[in-house]
Amino acid sequence: DVKVTQSSRYLVKRTGEKVFLECVQDMDHENMFWYRQDPGLGLRLIYFSYDVKMKEKGDIPEGYSVSREKKERFSLILESASTNQTSMYLCASKGGISNQPQHFGDGTRLSIL
Amino acid sequence: AQKVTQAQTEISVVEKEDVTLDCVYETRDTTYYLFWYKQPPSGELVFLIRRNSFDEQNEISGRYSWNFQKSTSSFNFTITASQVVDSAVYFCALSEAPGSNYQLIWGAGTKLIIKP
Repeated sequence: DVKVTQSSRYLVKRTGEKVFLECVQDMDHENMFWYRQDPGLGLRLIYFSYDVKMKEKGDIPEGYSVSREKKERFSLILESASTNQTSMYLCASKGGISNQPQHFGDGTRLSIL
Repeated sequence: AQKVTQAQTEISVVEKEDVTLDCVYETRDTTYYLFWYKQPPSGELVFLIRRNSFDEQNEISGRYSWNFQKSTSSFNFTITASQVVDSAVYFCALSEAPGSNYQLIWGAGTKLIIKP
């Protein structure tokens, strides 16, 4: 089974802090994704990566950056956290064939105070 | 443009009832993939099924079944003899191939409540 591990289940940070959310997958997948999920807004793609050191913006990249230095790890960075970034963050990974599903981690509930 | 519509925001049924979750999609591609995911209250998204556009066979897995109809652009999900553990938010999603960078177009989700 595919295992996608997010570093924290719950995280509380303060406004202005630099926040790192880590995601690791164990299936040698080429593609990795970061989403945020908010009530009434569904799942929105922040960034994705299709290879090491490669990244592409999703629908809502503002206020975020990402890093993929190794194939198995995809990090989401909030450069200066703000209260409107309080949300559920979900990481996913996917193999290189188009019809393969995305597999998700357990999610990180991030609160910015 | 591609789009996935789950018109049912919330459904509530009593345990053991059958329930169908609707999913209607829009795409200009002839090759595409449809997915269903389950998100229980604990939060993780669990992959349930994938269907390719060129395979219109319906599928049954235990109490779960899926009805794919290209003529109506629908990919509906039925739970037979529902159980409390089926309570979750269910998402339908669409992926066009290739060239979509493997992004999924998500429906808004249907919250399913199974009452004991």
